[in-house]
Amino acid sequence: DAGVIQSPRHEVTEMGQEVTLRCKPISGHDYLFWYRQTMMRGLELLIYFNNNVPIDDSGMPEDRFSAKMPNASFSTLKIQPSEPRDSAVYFCASSSADDRAEAFFGQGTRLTVV
Amino acid sequence: KQEVTQIPAALSVPEGENLVLNCSFTDSAIYNLQWFRQDPGKGLTSLLLIQSSQREQTSGRLNASLDKSSGRSTLYIAASQPGDSATYLCAVKAAGNKLTFGGGTRVLVKP
Repeated sequence: DAGVIQSPRHEVTEMGQEVTLRCKPISGHDYLFWYRQTMMRGLELLIYFNNNVPIDDSGMPEDRFSAKMPNASFSTLKIQPSEPRDSAVYFCASSSADDRAEAFFGQGTRLTVV
Repeated sequence: KQEVTQIPAALSVPEGENLVLNCSFTDSAIYNLQWFRQDPGKGLTSLLLIQSSQREQTSGRLNASLDKSSGRSTLYIAASQPGDSATYLCAVKAAGNKLTFGGGTRVLVKP
């Protein structure tokens, strides 16, 4: 397996524009997580899915953020409208259902909102 | 709410010295603890995974211990090399398979 795949790797957009980040988890993994990393706050869990169903979205900062998982091999994180304070690195991770399982992370998407 | 703390936030050592990185967590009801390495501008690379039933885990020059009852884990890196310079993150997995991360320790190994 190629691991967790995120796209794009870098995104620069203007304030007010819609941004869509994409993630392909490792095949067979039941859990998918979206994290955000900033210098000030470190790594924060935004939302996670189990078997394509959102389980906990309490980390989503505002209604401008939304996430979907239409099938087991694809998830999106959308920001609409984007703001400069959304600039961060967004990571997607996946793991199997086993409580003991390791989590695997993608390479991240570096988002810059100008 | 689980809180994970890593001390120190930054560490600088001469090459060859052993590194000791600390991680503490407030809720001992965890499934496992994972140590990651992150190079500047890069993603997270998993180094070691310790299950809640284990006391330690080793991989090459890396050794991680876990004391679940006291809420502590330590990552030891023997005979440090400049290539070990990176940020090291610990994360605990608890109910819901969620990972909660510490703030990381930024390590610089000077030649």
